[in-house]
Amino acid sequence: GAGVSQSPSNKVTEKGKDVELRCDPISGHTALYWYRQSLGQGLEFLIYFQGNSAPDKSGLPSDRFSAERTGGSVSTLTIQRTQQEDSAVYLCASSPAGVRADNEQFFGPGTRLTVL
Amino acid sequence: KQEVTQIPAALSVPEGENLVLNCSFTDSAIYNLQWFRQDPGKGLTSLLLIQSSQREQTSGRLNASLDKSSGRSTLYIAASQPGDSATYLCAARTGGATNKLIFGTGTLLAVQP
Repeated sequence: GAGVSQSPSNKVTEKGKDVELRCDPISGHTALYWYRQSLGQGLEFLIYFQGNSAPDKSGLPSDRFSAERTGGSVSTLTIQRTQQEDSAVYLCASSPAGVRADNEQFFGPGTRLTVL
Repeated sequence: KQEVTQIPAALSVPEGENLVLNCSFTDSAIYNLQWFRQDPGKGLTSLLLIQSSQREQTSGRLNASLDKSSGRSTLYIAASQPGDSATYLCAARTGGATNKLIFGTGTLLAVQP
């Protein structure tokens, strides 16, 4: 079946502009994650959605970052007033429901964001 | 706070060699540990997942082990091939309500033909 998809694959924007990144998880997966991969920080967790529960936003680096998940499926990560340090690859992952120890996370191809 | 470390940061080997990649984590209270492969400019491909109750998992030429008590995992690659060249990442899934992964910094592997 189809894997996790993300769009756009590349995004170049000017400092100060807002951007939206989209993630389509694997059908039937209720858990969705956003991670960020940057040169200086490696791969870091941003936010986690599980079904209709309140998301865990503990990894968001500032209040310029927000995310939503509509209908328990598609998710959008929004970065307002982008800064150059926001330049990174943003990765989305999904996994089946629950906290079972055998739940793998499956990753999308990522969106490469460049802020000029 | 969970911290994950990978050694070495980079490794170059001739084709055909067996090799071991190392992953260390500071908090043994993990649900599982996943090994991923990342090719340049690409996303992550899951290779193996070891549950906290397991000691090893195998897939083809890959074997991953987990020793929770010592906070270590290893990825063994047998008979390496140039196509194995990539960055290998390990990630520990933490406990609690959030199933987030804490990633290591990765090992960049180059297999020379």
